[in-house]
Parts: sequence; C-alpha cells; structure tokens
Amino acid sequence: GAGVSQSPSNKVTEKGKDVELRCDPISGHTALYWYRQSLGQGLEFLIYFQGNSAPDKSGLPSDRFSAERTGGSVSTLTIQRTQQEDSAVYLCASDRTLDTIEQFFGPGTRLTVL
Amino acid sequence: AQTVTQSQPEMSVQEAETVTLSCTYDTSENNYYLFWYKQPPSRQMILVIRQEAYKQQNATENRFSVNFQKAAKSFSLKISDSQLGDTAMYFCALAGNNRKLIWGLGTSLAVNP
Repeated sequence: GAGVSQSPSNKVTEKGKDVELRCDPISGHTALYWYRQSLGQGLEFLIYFQGNSAPDKSGLPSDRFSAERTGGSVSTLTIQRTQQEDSAVYLCASDRTLDTIEQFFGPGTRLTVL
Repeated sequence: AQTVTQSQPEMSVQEAETVTLSCTYDTSENNYYLFWYKQPPSRQMILVIRQEAYKQQNATENRFSVNFQKAAKSFSLKISDSQLGDTAMYFCALAGNNRKLIWGLGTSLAVNP
C-alpha cells in the first residue's frame, strides 16, 4: 500500500510568516510522530499522536509550534511567526500502534525561512 | 536521559567489501528497542534493522546484521558485500517506553566502485 506522504516537499517562507506542514500516515496506523532534522541539531523528536490525542508534546521547541491530528489520520504541524532557526527538514512517521515500535517515515518537508 | 552516540562521522568502503558502523547508547530502562535507519540523498528515512533489547540473538536482514552487546551498550551494524546503493547516511536510534526515537548524529557511508 501507499507509504507516508508529506506536503509540501519544499517550502520557502519569509521570517514572521506562518506555515502548515501536512502528513498523511499509512492507512490504519494509529501512531504518528513528528521529528525535525537540522544541520546543527541532528534529528529531534517534536510530538507524537496516539489516535487524535498527543500525550507527549515535550519536544515542541516553543509555543510557536503546534500540531493536530484529525480523524485519526492526517496531521498538521503549524509553525507561527517563523524564525530562521526553524529552517530544517520536518519528518513525519507512522506506526501501526505504539507497541509495534516500527516507524515508517515520509520523505519530509524542507522548510527554508528567509 | 537517553543518548545515542555514533563516533564515526564518515566512512568509506569498496564495493563488495564489509564495513561496520559503530553505535553506543545509554538508557536506564530495561525494555527498549534499537534501530538502524538509512537515509539516502532522496531524504527518505528507511528502516534497515531493529533489535529488541530483551532478545539475545543478533538481528539479521539479508546483508545487514548487528552486533548487540547489551552490557557494553553497544549496537554496531555490519554491512556485507557492500553495494553502490548502500551509499547513504546511517542513523542509530533508540526507543524506550515512551516510544519516541532518540537519534545519533549519523555516519555518512560512501561505497566506492
């Protein structure tokens, strides 16, 4: 079946603008994860969803970052008032359940903040 | 805190040869999982192999195998019969009870013809 998809593939925005990044998980996967990959920080966990709820938001770097998931499927990561340090690749992964521990990744969204 | 360390930023190997990538980790949990992911230039993160910490037997997937030394907290990846398509960044990762992946900084592997 189809893998995890993310859109847009690339996003260039101006400092101060808001952006929305979208993730479509594999059908039937209940767990969904967001990670950020940046040159200086490597890969870091941002947030995960079990169904539509987010039990762990500890990785969100600031209150400018938020995420939601609707219908147990699509998730949106929103960054408000973007800063240059937000430039990174944002990766989404899904897993059948929290207990299967086998995350499948999407191709990522490369965000560039000018 | 959980940490993952990859001490080899870059490595190279000749096609058809064998190469071993190193990874050490630290965790206070008893139940955890270890992974090797591959990220080619396409940016797609691909799961190579996973190991449950409670299993003593080393995981194997075709040309890829691990040497899991639990007491030493070491988890190395061996790639046999290296192929040009193995050229990529390789990341070691750890997942504990909270299921979020903690990542090493990666090893850039180049397979030379």
